[in-house]
Amino acid sequence: DAGVIQSPRHEVTEMGQEVTLRCKPISGHNSLFWYRQTMMRGLELLIYFNNNVPIDDSGMPEDRFSAKMPNASFSTLKIQPSEPRDSAVYFCASSLRLADTQYFGPGTRLTVL
Amino acid sequence: DQQVKQNSPSLSVQEGRISILNCDYTNSMFDYFLWYKKYPAEGPTFLISISSIKDKNEDGRFTVFLNKSAKHLSLHIVPSQPGDSAVYFCAASEKSGSGNAGKLIFGQGTTLQVKP
Repeated sequence: DAGVIQSPRHEVTEMGQEVTLRCKPISGHNSLFWYRQTMMRGLELLIYFNNNVPIDDSGMPEDRFSAKMPNASFSTLKIQPSEPRDSAVYFCASSLRLADTQYFGPGTRLTVL
Repeated sequence: DQQVKQNSPSLSVQEGRISILNCDYTNSMFDYFLWYKKYPAEGPTFLISISSIKDKNEDGRFTVFLNKSAKHLSLHIVPSQPGDSAVYFCAASEKSGSGNAGKLIFGQGTTLQVKP
C-alpha cells in the first residue's frame, strides 16, 4: 500500500517566489495534517483538515501561508512570497479519523535563498 | 511554552542493552501519547502509542510506560539494536471529542545511538 506521498522532495527557490508543496494522503484517510520541522522550533503543526474542511489553522505562521484540500486525495501548502526563514522540512501526515494515529510522508525540504 | 519535553537530546547505548527514552508533559488534558522514530531524510514513523487509561503498552522489543501523576512517559527498547539508531519523538494529544482532538504536540526529540 502506498503511504503518504509528497512532492517535490526538495525545493530550492529565491526569496519572493511562490512555493507550492503537494500531498496525497493515504487512500481512505479522512484527516490530513501539515507540519514544519526546524532546528529552532522542532516539529510544529501548521494546519489540519477533516473531511477536506480546515479545522484549525492557528499554527500557520503568517498570511503568506495558505493551504487547501480540494478533494480527499490532494492537498497543497502554498507560501507566497517565500522568505529565507521559511526554509525547513515540511511534512504531510494523514489519519483514518481525526484522533487516530497519524502517518507521515517523507517530507519536502524547502530552501529559500 | 513547551507542553511536551524531551530533556535528553541524545542517548548512547551498547547493542543488546536497554534504551530508555523519557518524555514529560504539562497539559493535563493530554490523554493519548505516541512515540515516533525518524531516520534522516525520512518522515517520522509511528512506533507505539498508549492511552491514558493504561500505564503500560508493549509491542515486541518496545514498551511504553505512562505515569499520569508525574506527567511522565518513557519508551524502553530491549534489547537495543544498531538499526534502532534514530531520532525518537514523543507526541501527545487530547481526547477524541475535545476541540483539540488530533492536534499532536511533539517533543524536541532524542537522538539514540546504539553501538555494535
